[in-house]
Amino acid sequence: QKEVEQNSGPLSVPEGAIASLNCTYSDRGSQSFFWYRQYSGKSPELIMFIYSNGDKEDGRFTAQLNKASQYVSLLIRDSQPSDSATYLCAVNQGNTDKLIFGTGTRLQVFP
Amino acid sequence: GAVVSQHPSRVICKSGTSVKIECRSLDFQATTMFWYRQFPKQSLMLMATSNEGSKATYEQGVEKDKFLINHASLTLSTLTVTSAHPEDSSFYICSAKIMNTEAFFGQGTRLTVV
Repeated sequence: QKEVEQNSGPLSVPEGAIASLNCTYSDRGSQSFFWYRQYSGKSPELIMFIYSNGDKEDGRFTAQLNKASQYVSLLIRDSQPSDSATYLCAVNQGNTDKLIFGTGTRLQVFP
Repeated sequence: GAVVSQHPSRVICKSGTSVKIECRSLDFQATTMFWYRQFPKQSLMLMATSNEGSKATYEQGVEKDKFLINHASLTLSTLTVTSAHPEDSSFYICSAKIMNTEAFFGQGTRLTVV
């Protein structure tokens, strides 16, 4: 069974702090890694994607990938209350276009 | 980013009836569309993969005769939940992608079977 694992949380951080979200995956054949944000009752929206080992930065968001450790993370700098949501890690299955989702980490940013 | 429109956003139906959900890519031609189901406090579970002009590929455990998928064009895929029962109540989400790009999600459809 190919899996994507995340801590369900909630992860609580104060406004302005860095939130660190982690994800591990079991399929060594995966090549594409995605972070989605999902507000309650809404559809997921893409935050970032990363294909290569290392860091990728986009505004307040940084995705980090370590294929050897089968680990991908998302850092959110200067966290805002509006960042409070569930963050879903998704990994493609092998060399297919199918995405396998983790159960998500609920982030709470308090003022 | 690309826009994927899903309709309806909410539907309530009686047990035993069928419901059709539409997924349209508005500003691009999608080579592949995916259908997911999400139960409360759970993650998205892939139900099927749909390519234009060919039969959908269903994930293990998903009944293809119950969840009918039609991908008639590069911009439209439909999911029909046949003979719906209360246990089919869920949040159904489609996504669409062009080859070698990320997938874009529709707004989702909240199905309640009473």
